[in-house]
Order: sequence, then C-alpha cells, then structure tokens
Amino acid sequence: ETGVTQSPTHLIKTRGQQVTLRCSSQSGHNTVSWYQQALGQGPQFIFQYYREEENGRGNFPPRFSGLQFPNYSSELNVNALELDDSALYLCASSNPTGPEHEKLFFGSGTQLSVL
Amino acid sequence: GEDVEQSLFLSVREGDSSVINCTYTDSSSTYLYWYKQEPGAGLQLLTYIFSNMDMKQDQRLTVLLNKKDKHLSLRIADTQTGDSAIYFCAGTSGYALNFGKGTSLLVTP
Repeated sequence: ETGVTQSPTHLIKTRGQQVTLRCSSQSGHNTVSWYQQALGQGPQFIFQYYREEENGRGNFPPRFSGLQFPNYSSELNVNALELDDSALYLCASSNPTGPEHEKLFFGSGTQLSVL
Repeated sequence: GEDVEQSLFLSVREGDSSVINCTYTDSSSTYLYWYKQEPGAGLQLLTYIFSNMDMKQDQRLTVLLNKKDKHLSLRIADTQTGDSAIYFCAGTSGYALNFGKGTSLLVTP
C-alpha cells in the first residue's frame, strides 16, 4: 500500500454542482498528479502540480482546476459538473529529483458519481 | 500524445505463465511501466523498465522491451488466483503517464 491518501472515497453530486477532491502525497514526495479513469478505460492525465504551481496539463477544460499546498497535499476542483465527469479520480505522487524519481505512486481514488 | 494498445482480456490456469502484451507509438518514453488494478482500488506499481534496457526481471515478473517494434510485455510466472486483476501498461509522455485501456487477467483454478 502506498502512502498516498485520498478523500472522500465516494461522492455523489448532481449536474451543475461543484466538487473538491483531496489528496495527501507520500512522505518525501513534492509532486502531485491527477488522473481521471472512466469506467472500462485507462487513467487520463488531468494535470500535475510541483511547488504549488501547475506545470503540466492534459486535455481537460478549465472547469477542472487544482491547488497544491506548502505541505505538498493537493486538491482537485471541478465546477459545473457534467454527467460524463462520473469517474474514478486518482491522485499520484512522486519526487522527480529523488532517488526513486521514476516511480509514480497512486492513491486508491475517489469514485465520483454525477446524477 | 502517445497511443498505447493492449489486448483486453486474458485467461490462464493457476500455475501457468501469463504474458500480457502492449504496443505504443511514441518512442520518446523514458520509462515504461506496468500497473495492477484490483476491483474498486487504485493502481499498484508492479514494475517498470528504462527505455535503454530490453529486459528486466523482478521475482515472478519479467518485462521485455522491443524498442524497434515498440512492443512491451509482462510475463508473470506461476500465476496465482490473486494475480486476477486489470493490468495497465503506460509510458512517460512529458509530465504525464499515457496508459493503455488495460488487460483483464482471469486466473482459473
């Protein structure tokens, strides 16, 4: 089991609402990435945060936004929820400059259902 | 971005070897990974290989990389029922990992 923790584990929202998902990175990891995994698909990269700034983004609209805090934990915010936002949201942490810089460790995810 | 293709399903008998295959289009990936996902869970890093290697062995796991054909495989020796899961291959693409759709491995007694 990795040291990456996500909350909540499950969430139900209605279309048009806003949601915030949270992630605590593994100890010693300063980089957090977020992925969206729709049912039956592989994870899709949303964005990455390093030193509290977004430094890479996938093909997701601006209503997907994030934050990283000084303790390296992170939030994913999604505004104006759509039915297609229903998915498992995965957080991953890494340390790009550390001895295991090539490893990306994932949390257990937040299952979001939009009704 | 990189396209990563995997066969969707594989069934093996307990004790046999499993081979899961993956092809990718972007040859600039520095690392290639295999992750395991059990039902309702996140992704577990199984193993990975640096792009200048052609083989890596880690206990029951053997990764083979053919850069010329852009082909990656994962062999699981002595497959157990606990190995039943979805297996994803992924390659680095800038800041991101680019995943395939996953191969569902079913191990029957």
